[in-house]
Amino acid sequence: EDQVTQSPEALRLQEGESSSLNCSYTVSGLRGLFWYRQDPGKGPEFLFTLYSAGEEKEKERLKATLTKKESFLHITAPKPEDSATYLCAVSGGNEKLTFGTGTRLTIIP
Amino acid sequence: KAGVTQTPRYLIKTRGQQVTLSCSPISGHRSVSWYQQTPGQGLQFLFEYFSETQRNKGNFPGRFSGRQFSNSRSEMNVSTLELGDSALYLCASSLFPGMDNEQFFGPGTRLTVL
Repeated sequence: EDQVTQSPEALRLQEGESSSLNCSYTVSGLRGLFWYRQDPGKGPEFLFTLYSAGEEKEKERLKATLTKKESFLHITAPKPEDSATYLCAVSGGNEKLTFGTGTRLTIIP
Repeated sequence: KAGVTQTPRYLIKTRGQQVTLSCSPISGHRSVSWYQQTPGQGLQFLFEYFSETQRNKGNFPGRFSGRQFSNSRSEMNVSTLELGDSALYLCASSLFPGMDNEQFFGPGTRLTVL
């Protein structure tokens, strides 16, 4: 059974203080690893898809990386508007999307 | 381009009742998936529909069912509601079937079972 574990559960950073969120996974036949952002009262918003180890993708202050066992979401010089819950998910050979429970990120001005 | 819409946004039911939730995907998207989100379990996959056919199903009891219409709109039904069914139900659409594509999520339907 596919599994996704995210850490930490919650993270508080000062504005401008860079950090990383971790997503560890076990999956049979990785088809894709996804990062989503979810704001309170809203559905998840797609950020990145990574397909193979070594792949990296960037979007504004966010950079996602992938190894064979984990993915990192690096946040550089975050701003208060980056506060949200960040979700990691994997799609494997069973073609089901398995989500982690997320990291709740708070950026303090 | 309009996003995924879900109706109703909020719903209160009592144990034993049944409920139907609706999802309209982004125009042109033929794949619709449903998820249950709870604080303890996070997001859990319910089922995926493509071209009116269920392609995949998660590990939920038979009380949870769904269908998709020819215009790609989808409904999910939960019968004999239990307290544990209280959750945010999210619908997502994508251009292609399968879970290795970008999913666009709706705002969800918040179901409370009393």
